[in-house]
Amino acid sequence: DAGVIQSPRHEVTEMGQEVTLRCKPISGHNSLFWYRQTMMRGLELLIYFNNNVPIDDSGMPEDRFSAKMPNASFSTLKIQPSEPRDSAVYFCASSLTQGVGYEQYFGPGTRLTVT
Amino acid sequence: AQSVTQLGSHVSVSEGALVLLRCNYSSSVPPYLFWYVQYPNQGLQLLLKYTSAATLVKGINGFEAEFKKSETSFHLTKPSAHMSDAAEYFCAVMRYNTDKLIFGTGTRLQVFP
Repeated sequence: DAGVIQSPRHEVTEMGQEVTLRCKPISGHNSLFWYRQTMMRGLELLIYFNNNVPIDDSGMPEDRFSAKMPNASFSTLKIQPSEPRDSAVYFCASSLTQGVGYEQYFGPGTRLTVT
Repeated sequence: AQSVTQLGSHVSVSEGALVLLRCNYSSSVPPYLFWYVQYPNQGLQLLLKYTSAATLVKGINGFEAEFKKSETSFHLTKPSAHMSDAAEYFCAVMRYNTDKLIFGTGTRLQVFP
């Protein structure tokens, strides 16, 4: 199994530009999570999907952020327009939500720098 | 609301020494608790989890954790530290009746030769 795949691994962009982060979850998993990690705020859940449907987006910081999951094997997180304070590592994770206490499998992350 | 608190943002031990990373939880219902490890420039990896079965949980790489309801604790231990254990460790609780994990602030473990 290839694990959770994220692209790009690194992104450097200028303030005001649109940024799209991509995630391919583990095949067969039915839940997908987007997290943001910064030194100041730690690890924050932005949004999660179950069976491709957004369940909780209360962690999305503002309207500049949007996420989609058009099918079970692909999700995007878009920031438009980007700002320097969006600089962080963004993680995608997936899980198979059957039973209790199911593990989330994390991708390697995308390090975003907005200048 | 459920939450976890990790005591000590940095812990340093000598190679071969006991590792003890502290985590206390707050929950009005039986919690599901997790320990994750993050190596530099990598994503998080599950070490172990507690889901209301045995209170002593064994994980990968020789780590274990004990669920103590009376102390609302879920501390992570390893009898003998190895240089390769140097990483950041996160305790997390699964929010009741949801898929959401609530993470602690993390503890960075340094291992000295």
